[in-house]
Amino acid sequence: DAGVTQSPTHLIKTRGQQVTLRCSPKSGHDTVSWYQQALGQGPQFIFQYYEEEERQRGNFPDRFSGHQFPNYSSELNVNALLLGDSALYLCASSRGQGSEKLFFGSGTQLSVL
Amino acid sequence: GIQVEQSPPDLILQEGANSTLRCNFSDSVNNLQWFHQNPWGQLINLFYIPSGTKQNGRLSATTVATERYSLLYISSSQTTDSGVYFCAVEEYSSASKIIFGSGTRLSIRP
Repeated sequence: DAGVTQSPTHLIKTRGQQVTLRCSPKSGHDTVSWYQQALGQGPQFIFQYYEEEERQRGNFPDRFSGHQFPNYSSELNVNALLLGDSALYLCASSRGQGSEKLFFGSGTQLSVL
Repeated sequence: GIQVEQSPPDLILQEGANSTLRCNFSDSVNNLQWFHQNPWGQLINLFYIPSGTKQNGRLSATTVATERYSLLYISSSQTTDSGVYFCAVEEYSSASKIIFGSGTRLSIRP
């Protein structure tokens, strides 16, 4: 039973560029959430996707957008990258939109130069 | 929004020691989860515990929702227990929005 998978594992971009990160949820899960974790801090909630729609959003600018596909996989897009966007980006999956146990992927380490 | 505070921020113990990590939250929550982040960054779900007590081997957790806190107990620590422990709560007023604490960094010395 495959867990949550994320790609790529590492990524280096320059300021102003755009990036797309990908996530496949754990088998049987239909909800995907994205988190940003800066060095030494706890993960910060970006948004959640369920039934291919953004259901909940944290305090992140519109430069952060996402998508969920019919197979429940998801993408996180960040436009106009800033140095401060350098972080570990984590994807979590769960069943249903309500309160459920979260399972995390290994993350994508994004470095913006 | 809801505030989640964890204590202590850092803890250094010898192998075999016991420890208690605390998570306080400022408002009503739908659920609470404890995670362990290993040195490679992987977050492992330890407990899904909106209330009551659960045990899993050397680890146990208790959440007292009415008093807005949760405790994670680690007994007979092993070096593999090292890492950062996070609690995360789902806001009652914003379902599906999960807020993490700043974590407790645990170092177990052999």
